[in-house]
Amino acid sequence: AQSVTQLDSQVPVFEEAPVELRCNYSSSVSVYLFWYVQYPNQGLQLLLKYLSGSTLVKGINGFEAEFNKSQTSFHLRKPSVHISDTAEYFCAVYSNYQLIWGAGTKLIIKP
Amino acid sequence: DTGVSQDPRHKITKRGQNVTFRCDPISEHNRLYWYRQTLGQGPEFLTYFQNEAQLEKSRLLSDRFSAERPKGSFSTLEIQRTEQGDSAMYLCASNPASGNYNEQFFGPGTRLTVL
Repeated sequence: AQSVTQLDSQVPVFEEAPVELRCNYSSSVSVYLFWYVQYPNQGLQLLLKYLSGSTLVKGINGFEAEFNKSQTSFHLRKPSVHISDTAEYFCAVYSNYQLIWGAGTKLIIKP
Repeated sequence: DTGVSQDPRHKITKRGQNVTFRCDPISEHNRLYWYRQTLGQGPEFLTYFQNEAQLEKSRLLSDRFSAERPKGSFSTLEIQRTEQGDSAMYLCASNPASGNYNEQFFGPGTRLTVL
């Protein structure tokens, strides 16, 4: 069965600094990967997805992620964070019509 | 707004009561999903419909839980004899059966508190 591990439950970072949120998935023949963001008291919003093709995927709000098959990773990055990026970020893998989710990483922006 | 909608947004109930939640998917989306999210965790899959057919159910969905999608449009999730452990955010998502079918569009969720 597929599984997703988000290695950090919280990541504090200063405003305008770069950030990386880590995600590892269990290996599979083909894999579709997603990053969603959840702002306080809101639903989940898709940031970006990897289905096939280029391993560097660009998403909304300046985020990007790199699919690394050999390391079974799909880490999320942003070169310069803003206070408005404060949210919880979830990595997910598609498997048999459902999404399998990591436990989430809270991004905390320090002024 | 033509996104996924859920009603109610919040529900507080006493242990042992029955509750029902509604989800209206994006129109023309054939597939509809229910997930449960507890504090500090990612969502967990509960069940999935294609049109009116319930095609998959998680073992998390005990016999106190039932979901329906009678006309292939909106869906309801009912929890009977609620327990404190049912307190969670219940999320609904939808997507079309073709195209980028694996991207799911989420509603705002219904937060259930069982006292």
